[in-house]
Amino acid sequence: AQTVTQSQPEMSVQEAETVTLSCTYDTSENNYYLFWYKQPPSRQMILVIRQEAYKQQNATENRFSVNFQKAAKSFSLKISDSQLGDTAMYFCAFMKLFGGSQGNLIFGKGTKLSVKP
Amino acid sequence: DARVTQTPRHKVTEMGQEVTMRCQPILGHNTVFWYRQTMMQGLELLAYFRNRAPLDDSGMPKDRFSAEMPDATLATLKIQPSEPRDSAVYFCASGNSNTGELFFGEGSRLTVL
Repeated sequence: AQTVTQSQPEMSVQEAETVTLSCTYDTSENNYYLFWYKQPPSRQMILVIRQEAYKQQNATENRFSVNFQKAAKSFSLKISDSQLGDTAMYFCAFMKLFGGSQGNLIFGKGTKLSVKP
Repeated sequence: DARVTQTPRHKVTEMGQEVTMRCQPILGHNTVFWYRQTMMQGLELLAYFRNRAPLDDSGMPKDRFSAEMPDATLATLKIQPSEPRDSAVYFCASGNSNTGELFFGEGSRLTVL
């Protein structure tokens, strides 16, 4: 069974600084997706970034980027120029492809990020 | 702006009552997921549908929970009878089986007294 581990329950960063959130996963699959979701106090689950396992290039979305190490099964999220609005719970998630198509998301326990002014 | 719509947003009920949560997936999406979020267990999959057919409901307590998709525009999650341990936030998410993205609704917060 696949598992996702986020080893940092809580982190804090000063506004405008850079922070990296860690995530490791365990799977025997070769083809899958990895995600980072953000959940602010409003509890809405917001997709931050997605990475396809077959792509070697790390995904980037504006201030958000990932460091995907497939062999090490590591998928960290880097937030540059942190903003107060980045304060939220961040979930790393793994998606096994089901019959070559979209499957279930398996979530880590989350990292609570606080951005301090 | 396409989004997943969930109702109710909040529900308080007494133990033993029936609870029905509804979800309208994004038009054109063919996968629907129900997740439950609690402090202790985090986000857990309850049910997964593709093209309205249930593919995985192994995470759902079968004795009291049921999930259905009567049509492509409606997914339901029913709890009968409800228990205090069912108190949680229930999320519905929809997606396209050919892409990796899931879009989440705003969740239904259930409190069972």
